[in-house]
Amino acid sequence: GAGVSQSPRYKVAKRGQDVALRCDPISGHVSLFWYQQALGQGPEFLTYFQNEAQLDKSGLPSDRFFAERPEGSVSTLKIQRTQQEDSAVYLCASSTYRDYEQYFGPGTRLTVT
Amino acid sequence: GESVGLHLPTLSVQEGDNSIINCAYSNSASDYFIWYKQESGKGPQFIIDIRSNMDKRQGQRVTVLLNKTVKHLSLQIAATQPGDSAVYFCADFRDGSARQLTFGSGTQLTVLP
Repeated sequence: GAGVSQSPRYKVAKRGQDVALRCDPISGHVSLFWYQQALGQGPEFLTYFQNEAQLDKSGLPSDRFFAERPEGSVSTLKIQRTQQEDSAVYLCASSTYRDYEQYFGPGTRLTVT
Repeated sequence: GESVGLHLPTLSVQEGDNSIINCAYSNSASDYFIWYKQESGKGPQFIIDIRSNMDKRQGQRVTVLLNKTVKHLSLQIAATQPGDSAVYFCADFRDGSARQLTFGSGTQLTVLP
C-alpha cells in the first residue's frame, strides 16, 4: 500500500524566502508528526497533530515555523523568512493508535543559501 | 537534559555475524523504547519496540534487551546481511500529552562482505 509521501523531495531557497513543505500521510492515520533532522543527527520533534488539531507544537524552533492540517489528512509545514540554520531534512510521520510506531516519509531536504 | 544516546557512532561486522547496537537512556519515565533503521535518502523505518515493563522482546532476526537498572537498551541482529547496513536509532516514547519520539544520534552499521 501507499506509504507517507512528501513533496518536494528537495528544495533550495534563498535566505529570506518562504517555503511550504507538504506531507500526505497514510490514509486513515489519525496522528501526524513533523521532525527536523540535521546532518548526522537523529530526528528532532517539531509538532504533532491528532486529526486536524495541533496538540503539541513545543518543538517548533521559532515563530517563523507554522504547521497546519486543516482537514485532518494532508499537512503543510511552512517556514517564513528562511535562515541558513533552517537547512535540514524535514520528516513527516503518521501513525494509528500506537503513536510510538510511526511511519516516516522520505523527507524534504531543504537547503537555504 | 534528558536524552537517549548511543555508545558508538559506527559499527562494522562481517556478513553472517551477529550485530549488537547499544543505547543508553536517562529518562526513567519513558513508556516505550523503539529501534528505527534509516537507510540513506530514506525516512526512519520502525524495527521493534519494547515496553518499559519488559526485559526482552524478539522479532524476526532481531532482539531488543532492556536493562532498567543501568538504563541500557540494545538491539541484536542475527546473521547480519548486507541489507542491514544503515543508521540505527534508538528512541523513547512517553504516553500522555507529549506524544513524541525522542531519538538518539544513531549508529552507522556497515556489513562487510
